Amino acid sequence: GAGVSQSPRYKVAKRGQDVALRCDPISGHVSLFWYQQALGQGPEFLTYFQNEAQLDKSGLPSDRFFAERPEGSVSTLKIQRTQQEDSAVYLCASSLAGRGRRVYNEQFFGPGTRLTVL
Amino acid sequence: DAKTTQPNSMESNEEEPVHLPCNHSTISGTDYIHWYRQLPSQGPEYVIHGLTSNVNNRMASLAIAEDRKSSTLILHRATLRDAAVYYCSRTGNQFYFGTGTSLTVIP
Repeated sequence: GAGVSQSPRYKVAKRGQDVALRCDPISGHVSLFWYQQALGQGPEFLTYFQNEAQLDKSGLPSDRFFAERPEGSVSTLKIQRTQQEDSAVYLCASSLAGRGRRVYNEQFFGPGTRLTVL
Repeated sequence: DAKTTQPNSMESNEEEPVHLPCNHSTISGTDYIHWYRQLPSQGPEYVIHGLTSNVNNRMASLAIAEDRKSSTLILHRATLRDAAVYYCSRTGNQFYFGTGTSLTVIP
């Protein structure tokens, strides 16, 4: 079956530009996560949705970062006025279920979007 | 305060067992321990998870210390395809990944 897909796979932006990264989770998965992965590091949590509700956005590094999942399926991570330090791979993951704020099931990851800010 | 700590790298001979350790000394009582592995230019792939008891699946085994402050991922017979970065993570109310262990498998 289809896994988690992300687009674009690669994005080059000039400093100060806005970017939008898309995630298509596995159909029927309730929970959706965004992570940021710098080179040589593990994924860092950004935000978490259960259906259309954003239950945790504590990992978003600044107010330039915004995520939405308006219909409880596709999600978009938007970064405004990109800076060089935003260069990273942005990973999306989905999980079948969650219990309130808690998620225990395995997460299925997409291939990521590599963002390079010049 | 590192949420999980792992050795940077490990080596194993092909066909030998591999024990990958993870320290999560500040884990809460309800957080699960998940392990993922990642190949270059790919997203992490789920390996195994557990709460308190040791767990086995077709890919690996997970041994969790009685005090839950550490765990060990066990690959029973390493193959060349097991070469990857292995991440230990805490999952529940919050989601923390470690810095990962890069496993090299020597033919």
